[in-house]
Amino acid sequence: DAKTTQPTSMDCAEGRAANLPCNHSTISGNEYVYWYRQIHSQGPQYIIHGLKNNETNEMASLIITEDRKSSTLILPHATLRDTAVYYCIVRPIYNQGGKLIFGQGTELSVKP
Amino acid sequence: DGGITQSPKYLFRKEGQNVTLSCEQNLNHDAMYWYRQDPGQGLRLIYYSQIVNDFQKGDIAEGYSVSREKKESFPLTVTSAQKNPTAFYLCASSDWTGATNEKLFFGSGTQLSVL
Repeated sequence: DAKTTQPTSMDCAEGRAANLPCNHSTISGNEYVYWYRQIHSQGPQYIIHGLKNNETNEMASLIITEDRKSSTLILPHATLRDTAVYYCIVRPIYNQGGKLIFGQGTELSVKP
Repeated sequence: DGGITQSPKYLFRKEGQNVTLSCEQNLNHDAMYWYRQDPGQGLRLIYYSQIVNDFQKGDIAEGYSVSREKKESFPLTVTSAQKNPTAFYLCASSDWTGATNEKLFFGSGTQLSVL
């Protein structure tokens, strides 16, 4: 599975957009990009995923570069409840056994 | 509400003792998983099960055992052979089809500590 690189931590002002980058330069054509987040002492929560097109749902937007070597998760109007660790994960299209490889993620702090 | 229930929230183990962590889901998912998380680290896969009465080892299965007698239940036993059991344990499930677009749904976790 491709490895991902994320900044260790980021700050964001409440109400502003939070842009979380992820580098996955070794991604292959049959691998999706997934984002999960984990609020302290809770289980991770699915946010969004994509293959090569940009995606948007009620929680966030995912922008994937044309060469697919990096992506950005956008929380359009961050709130204090968005403070969490955000994980960028790459998975093959046909994944055996739920083997999500969670790296260290980005700790996002949303401040008033 | 549909979801995954893990119990207990906190568990203490004495030296040489086996302990069992409970995981129940009412999402009608075929696949269930156990992960371990150490402080400041990502998740590591212990065991997973894609169907009742079948399960496979993950990356760190040594010192752990599981069973899958019912679709909705996937208990994890931390045996005395696991020498460093203190960690946050997470159970997850998915409507596994083998394709990567399935989402994992996680429980709220069990914090296991050694006395």
